[in-house]
Amino acid sequence: QQPVQSPQAVILREGEDAVINCSSSKALYSVHWYRQKHGEAPVFLMILLKGGEQKGHDKISASFNEKKQQSSLYLTASQLSYSGTYFCGTPRGNTGFQKLVFGTGTRLLVSP
Amino acid sequence: GAVVSQHPSRVICKSGTSVKIECRSLDFQATTMFWYRQFPKQSLMLMATSNEGSKATYEQGVEKDKFLINHASLTLSTLTVTSAHPEDSSFYICSATVGRSTEAFFGQGTRLTVV
Repeated sequence: QQPVQSPQAVILREGEDAVINCSSSKALYSVHWYRQKHGEAPVFLMILLKGGEQKGHDKISASFNEKKQQSSLYLTASQLSYSGTYFCGTPRGNTGFQKLVFGTGTRLLVSP
Repeated sequence: GAVVSQHPSRVICKSGTSVKIECRSLDFQATTMFWYRQFPKQSLMLMATSNEGSKATYEQGVEKDKFLINHASLTLSTLTVTSAHPEDSSFYICSATVGRSTEAFFGQGTRLTVV
């Protein structure tokens, strides 16, 4: 079952904040976040391994609520380079981190 | 980070022909690689798991006779789209992880257009 992301798309002005949510109907053992530019491969952002975990670097951070089977990605003071499609991913089952099932995706456009 | 190289980046082929896509792990050995397909404005969908020295395992709905996977060495997996049709046109991406690493490393992707 594919995780559902919301919103589907968001447009920001440079410097604004955004939150992208990822919800699963199945248990989440870990959550991966990726950003993909058009025509390119996904680029790894971060992994959250435990419920309650929060991580971040620069102005991009994420949280993981294991009980609610949800994760959120926080983008603060957005930059033009943040534009792209964001995907959450979760391993299928609890057999490792490799076989990822990706969420529905959120398209982000940051304008000047 | 580890590097996964995919070739070709773009290919156009005629309907009915076969196309081979290569996925190489350049600085590590990958006993397992994964193949994804992505249609325009959609998410990445896992097609199959490529296992070195054994048969690939395919996701439900993916035709194993149409998408042939060979993983003959620890650094190379190939995906062959046989008898390609226009509906096979898509972005194909491979990934691999290093040992027990949690991060998946992706190839650059291959844009396949069948005319």
